[in-house]
Amino acid sequence: EVQVLESGGGLVQPGGSLRLSCAASGFTFSSSAMSWVRQAPGKGLEWVSLINYRGGITYYADSVKGRFTISRDNAKNTLYLQMNSLRAEDTAVYYCAKDRAAAPGGGMDVWGQGTTVTVSS
Amino acid sequence: QSALTQPASVSGSPGQSITISCTGTSSDVGSYNLVSWYQQHPGKAPKLMIYEVSKRPSGVSNRFSGSKSGNTASLTISGLQAEDAADYYCCSYGGSSTYVFGTGTKVTVL
Repeated sequence: EVQVLESGGGLVQPGGSLRLSCAASGFTFSSSAMSWVRQAPGKGLEWVSLINYRGGITYYADSVKGRFTISRDNAKNTLYLQMNSLRAEDTAVYYCAKDRAAAPGGGMDVWGQGTTVTVSS
Repeated sequence: QSALTQPASVSGSPGQSITISCTGTSSDVGSYNLVSWYQQHPGKAPKLMIYEVSKRPSGVSNRFSGSKSGNTASLTISGLQAEDAADYYCCSYGGSSTYVFGTGTKVTVL
């Protein structure tokens, strides 16, 4: 079965750090670009970051640039999101998603169930 | 990276057709045939319904169709069914390997 499973969410104080993980299975992880997408409570979807299939090229939304770092370990079929200098507005469910095509832009066809990050004192 | 504009809500009776619009700019929707649409039921993960403007992934009903004209993309649901009640989000490639989502539309089946 093709799936991704996020973990690592939790409660963190403003200014703190958290690392999210996303374990992939059922598809060739090392051939797929991957993204993180978040959804604040009661709000819409927001693309956060993307990493190419090899991990050498990364992209970020302006709202997280300089604070978040996306990475991957293709040997472990795992995607990561290191989140530093967290703010209240980073509170959201964070989804890991697989790009459908080898080149970014073709949509995201596999999504996890999400992991919840709450930034509060 | 401003969000694409969608109507907040759209409703229709069972069997009817509805269309959800998604308006962007010449830098995103207007520049690429890389618009996708996602369905999200409450408490669930998004599901890809349409990619590359008008293509359907395997397993998605042919009642769902997509199109684009200029800076505006559209999702049409024909033969509306109760199970189609959900939130729908458009998403466009924004260049430089970035994505931009729409504001989301709540579909109600009357």
